[in-house]
Amino acid sequence: DTGVSQDPRHKITKRGQNVTFRCDPISEHNRLYWYRQTLGQGPEFLTYFQNEAQLEKSRLLSDRFSAERPKGSFSTLEIQRTEQGDSAMYLCASSLPGRTSGNTIYFGEGSWLTVV
Amino acid sequence: QKEVEQNSGPLSVPEGAIASLNCTYSDRVSQSFFWYRQYSGKSPELIMSIYSNGDKEDGRFTAQLNKASQYVSLLIRDSQPSDSATYLCAVSPNAGGTSYGKLTFGQGTILTVHP
Repeated sequence: DTGVSQDPRHKITKRGQNVTFRCDPISEHNRLYWYRQTLGQGPEFLTYFQNEAQLEKSRLLSDRFSAERPKGSFSTLEIQRTEQGDSAMYLCASSLPGRTSGNTIYFGEGSWLTVV
Repeated sequence: QKEVEQNSGPLSVPEGAIASLNCTYSDRVSQSFFWYRQYSGKSPELIMSIYSNGDKEDGRFTAQLNKASQYVSLLIRDSQPSDSATYLCAVSPNAGGTSYGKLTFGQGTILTVHP
């Protein structure tokens, strides 16, 4: 499978714990995105990397959230001191560079987080 | 006003009918428009992209864009039960001449195709 890969697929954690999600993009894609989706809503943009540089962060990304892409390949999204409101599906996506092709993003299967 | 709004659902159509899904957006400088299909419990899957005014057809799917009216739609011809899913409209802004995959999504329209 050469699509976007996310791990773990499901995570149940207690409030206050830290969680980390990993994303492996499609190999030739240098752009990587994190989105969050709650039930009944469309995905919401969180942050974007081009290679290893984090170029934009949404105001949704509070200081408890941190994302990295250290070598411009895989990325991690860490949530510290989780809250029940963090329960959502965290989606990673990637795209090729370029004005048009860079807009076409391909999602991974998502990582479901449940905070109890 | 939400940035991207989709017609409220759920939408139910009989098998073989045309399903029409609508979306309006508020940012006039938006340049790229997408339709994603999302099955329950799964991630969004890109089915159509459109960048210019007019129609774009791909198999049973036709996307229509009218930038003057800030309106984009998706028609599904010969609807099948397997088309039953949530359809998400997404819009990409044009920020300072560069474009990338920062999409703004609508809330989705649930489509049910009944036999």
